[in-house]
Amino acid sequence: DGGITQSPKYLFRKEGQNVTLSCEQNLNHDAMYWYRQDPGQGLRLIYYSQIVNDFQKGDIAEGYSVSREKKESFPLTVTSAQKNPTAFYLCASSMLTATNEKLFFGSGTQLSVL
Amino acid sequence: SQQGEEDPQALSIQEGENATMNCSYKTSINNLQWYRQNSGRGLVHLILIRSNEREKHSGRLRVTLDTSKKSSSLLITASRAADTASYFCATAARSNDYKLSFGAGTTVTVRA
Repeated sequence: DGGITQSPKYLFRKEGQNVTLSCEQNLNHDAMYWYRQDPGQGLRLIYYSQIVNDFQKGDIAEGYSVSREKKESFPLTVTSAQKNPTAFYLCASSMLTATNEKLFFGSGTQLSVL
Repeated sequence: SQQGEEDPQALSIQEGENATMNCSYKTSINNLQWYRQNSGRGLVHLILIRSNEREKHSGRLRVTLDTSKKSSSLLITASRAADTASYFCATAARSNDYKLSFGAGTTVTVRA
């Protein structure tokens, strides 16, 4: 089955702790994205990557970090600097085209603060 | 930055009725996309309409785009309980390097 797998489904963070959300895709897509979704709001872009070993900040990158060591994987670390991390996090991927085409999304990770 | 704004925020209809929701945006776009999200799940792509297209159909879905008014509408005909979900529009614009910008969504409830 081709798709995007996010894990874990639920994650709890203690004060001052860094946590890492996993995102893996087997669609052979070049581009991968991380979005944050707060209740009743749209998606806001955290980071995106169009090629291995390269990534760019989105609209709300502060307090987050990413890596892209493999084409299939794009983990997101929520650092202790992110003071309001409770949200639903969505990973997505797409084929890399001159203009953005459709995104394929994972099932999301709900992050809560203990 | 969020460009699209959906209207209404919430919609409740009877099974079999049509559901219409609208999306307005601010800057010129290359394409506009609609996505569906079931509660607690990821988004699923429904349909993409390019800036040089005016109308597109996919099954029970009909999307229109009016670039002069910077608006789009999504019509779901003969709704079913399974259509209960949140619907988001997303725009891709050259001014934003074609990164998708999502609106806040319309929550649709289809009553049996």
